[in-house]
Amino acid sequence: AQSVTQPDIHITVSEGASLELRCNYSYGATPYLFWYVQSPGQGLQLLLKYFSGDTLVQGIKGFEAEFKRSQSSFNLRKPSVHWSDAAEYFCAVAPRRGSTLGRLYFGRGTQLTVWP
Amino acid sequence: KAGVTQTPRYLIKTRGQQVTLSCSPISGHRSVSWYQQTPGQGLQFLFEYFSETQRNKGNFPGRFSGRQFSNSRSEMNVSTLELGDSALYLCASSLDRAGDTEAFFGQGTRLTVV
Repeated sequence: AQSVTQPDIHITVSEGASLELRCNYSYGATPYLFWYVQSPGQGLQLLLKYFSGDTLVQGIKGFEAEFKRSQSSFNLRKPSVHWSDAAEYFCAVAPRRGSTLGRLYFGRGTQLTVWP
Repeated sequence: KAGVTQTPRYLIKTRGQQVTLSCSPISGHRSVSWYQQTPGQGLQFLFEYFSETQRNKGNFPGRFSGRQFSNSRSEMNVSTLELGDSALYLCASSLDRAGDTEAFFGQGTRLTVV
């Protein structure tokens, strides 16, 4: 069965510090990979995605993620965190099904707190 | 370009009642999926529709149903509401395109069952 693991439920960093959020997935073949961010009471906003090609992908708001096939990981990073980055972050995978995206499997999320 | 629109944003219902939530996808998107988000269970997949056909279904009881119309708008219905149905219900639409697609989410409908 497909599963997505985000081992860190809550992370606290100081503003300006670097950030890495971890994500591991369990799936037979390399799926499509996504990171979403959610502010309180809001929907999910896509930060970045990996389909193929360069394993280091750039996203919005200065985020990047690296796909490591050997570790089945897709960790999210940001070199310098801003107070506005405080939110909940979700890693998601979708099985490759030709042209269709299909359902997403989500991790449980990592809540990010940023100290001023 | 308008995003995914969910209505209403907030709902309060009583146990035993039924509720209908609506989702208007991004123009041109024919795939619509629904998710339930709760603090205890996280984000759980309900169902996916494409061109008016249910293409995939999650592990929810039959009280949860959905449909999609010819204009790709979708509705989900929950009958005989239970307290545990209180959640944020999220709708996502996607443009099925080989090699490059993503799900765009609406802001959700917050359902509270009392």
